[in-house]
Amino acid sequence: TQLLEQSPQFLSIQEGENLTVYCNSSSVFSSLQWYRQEPGEGPVLLVTVVTGGEVKKLKRLTFQFGDARKDSSLHITAAQPGDTGLYLCAGNGGAQKLVFGQGTRLTINP
Amino acid sequence: EAGVAQSPRYKIIEKRQSVAFWCNPISGHATLYWYQQILGQGPKLLIQFQNNGVVDDSQLPKDRFSAERLKGVDSTLKIQPAKLEDSAVYLCASSAYYNSPLHFGNGTRLTVT
Repeated sequence: TQLLEQSPQFLSIQEGENLTVYCNSSSVFSSLQWYRQEPGEGPVLLVTVVTGGEVKKLKRLTFQFGDARKDSSLHITAAQPGDTGLYLCAGNGGAQKLVFGQGTRLTINP
Repeated sequence: EAGVAQSPRYKIIEKRQSVAFWCNPISGHATLYWYQQILGQGPKLLIQFQNNGVVDDSQLPKDRFSAERLKGVDSTLKIQPAKLEDSAVYLCASSAYYNSPLHFGNGTRLTVT
């Protein structure tokens, strides 16, 4: 069974600080996606990483896929209250079967 | 384009009752997914359709859960009879083709008392 573990599960920081969220597995994934989910809504795709070692940037968010395609990280620079939400990583284990991590609940305090 | 539509948004039932959820995917999307998201956890895949055929239902509790996708468009997910542990948000998602991004609906929050 492919599992993805996210850490930390909860993170509360002040506006302007930097943070990193991790997504780890013992399994190899063909691609990995990051989603953000707000209360009462479905997850919204932020990025897909495909190549080992790949780095993608989305404004203040930087996503990295591990060289072995087993782990990923999300780094947010100068966090803002609008970044608050549940961040989910999801690995593609084949046949478009996405396996989700349990999520990191991020709170940015003004 | 219109997003994935789900109804109802909320449902409260007593244990042993039955319930059904409806999903209308984005027009033209061939693949449809039902996920269960228990509070504090990530979504868990229940069933995946490709057009009107089932691709994966390995985690669907088939003794109580059933799903269909008639004509390869809309889908319904049914629980009969419901248990307390079925309390969760049920998310529907669709994608245009294999390996394309998933688009999620806003989910149905089910409370079983």
